[in-house]
Amino acid sequence: DAGVIQSPRHEVTEMGQEVTLRCKPISGHDYLFWYRQTMMRGLELLIYFNNNVPIDDSGMPEDRFSAKMPNASFSTLKIQPSEPRDSAVYFCASSLGGVGALHFGNGTRLTVT
Amino acid sequence: DAKTTQPNSMESNEEEPVHLPCNHSTISGTDYIHWYRQLPSQGPEYVIHGLTSNVNNRMASLAIAEDRKSSTLILHRATLRDAAVYYCILRDYDTDKLIFGTGTRLQVFP
Repeated sequence: DAGVIQSPRHEVTEMGQEVTLRCKPISGHDYLFWYRQTMMRGLELLIYFNNNVPIDDSGMPEDRFSAKMPNASFSTLKIQPSEPRDSAVYFCASSLGGVGALHFGNGTRLTVT
Repeated sequence: DAKTTQPNSMESNEEEPVHLPCNHSTISGTDYIHWYRQLPSQGPEYVIHGLTSNVNNRMASLAIAEDRKSSTLILHRATLRDAAVYYCILRDYDTDKLIFGTGTRLQVFP
């Protein structure tokens, strides 16, 4: 079991550029979560999917953020255009069932200059 | 979303037991109690979860109060590698959401 795989590990981009973060959940897991972590705000839930369907995106900060899950083994989080305040570590997590343990990836550290 | 309250920080000596408390007075009957920890520069790591009964696994034990309004994560023998931020979270059975609070920063001294 390779665990949740996120790419890239680090991303540095300039303000205004499009950023795409990628996540491969654990095979067989039916829930996928995107979190953002900053020193000021801690871990924030952005959006989560169940069986590839977005269930709650109320944590997505603005229309500049979008997330997709085209199939059970892949999800993307896109920021367009990016801004310096989007700098954070973005985590993807997956779980089996609605009450089971979340398994987190190693995160993507995003820096927007 | 039901909220949890944890102390900001705790300290322990190596090889001593550690009891990390969590209050969740607004817990609903179907909320699961989850504990995660985050080591420096890593993603959160699952520790344990339970509903009503006490739970044990290789990492820790979870003691849940009879009224479920509080719980305690027990590390039986703290090691230096247990130094982390520990999060107590309620997983909402209706929405499946898992909302993190600020957690308890555990320091372990040799």
